Amino acid sequence: DVVMTQTPVSLSVSLGGQVSISCRSSQSLVHNNGNTYLSWYLQKPGQSPQLLIYKVSNRFSGISDRFSGSGSGTDFTLKISRVEPDDLGVYYCGQGTQYPYTFGAGTKLELK
Amino acid sequence: QVQLKESGPGLVQPSQTLSLTCTVSGFSLTSNSVHWVRQPPGKGLEWVGAIWSGGSTDYNSALKSRLSISRDTSKSQVFLKMNSLQTEDTAIYFCTRMQSWGQGVMVTVSS
Repeated sequence: DVVMTQTPVSLSVSLGGQVSISCRSSQSLVHNNGNTYLSWYLQKPGQSPQLLIYKVSNRFSGISDRFSGSGSGTDFTLKISRVEPDDLGVYYCGQGTQYPYTFGAGTKLELK
Repeated sequence: QVQLKESGPGLVQPSQTLSLTCTVSGFSLTSNSVHWVRQPPGKGLEWVGAIWSGGSTDYNSALKSRLSISRDTSKSQVFLKMNSLQTEDTAIYFCTRMQSWGQGVMVTVSS
């Protein structure tokens, strides 16, 4: 199975600040069809996860441009700029290139 | 409007079988896949399995021997059955298209 390693485990940020979350996979996430199925999700307290980014850098419908994804192969990053209170929660990366689909352990974003 | 809603028993006894239903609306099961993802209390996400638009399935290898996912396209429902439940199977179970998620159903395995 592909192991997804997220760092850091937690982050403290001031409102209006910027943060980056790293996600590394144990194998390349480039599919045979050329796509890279790496997604980012945010789970707010008491809620279901919500999709933010798919295929590395594509923002899902309705997602603010304050969220940006980048990376390739095995190394990926989620950046959040101008952090707002509604951004707080746990961020997960997930891969769908190889089954079973696997997720990182999560990064908790908290207010400083 | 895409919606997914899980239903099923909140409490299951050890060694018994879990049966969950995901009722969807706003999209067709014959054109979209549906996944099951679970989350133990206070822990991260674990992919359980999926049923694809054509009806084939994929399962988490760690759960494969105990798991079955099926569907009834006429009722827009997807079913999860997992047997030989243990306390480690206690979790919130979500059904999801990955771009949209149900609210989840908490399943507790306890006698």
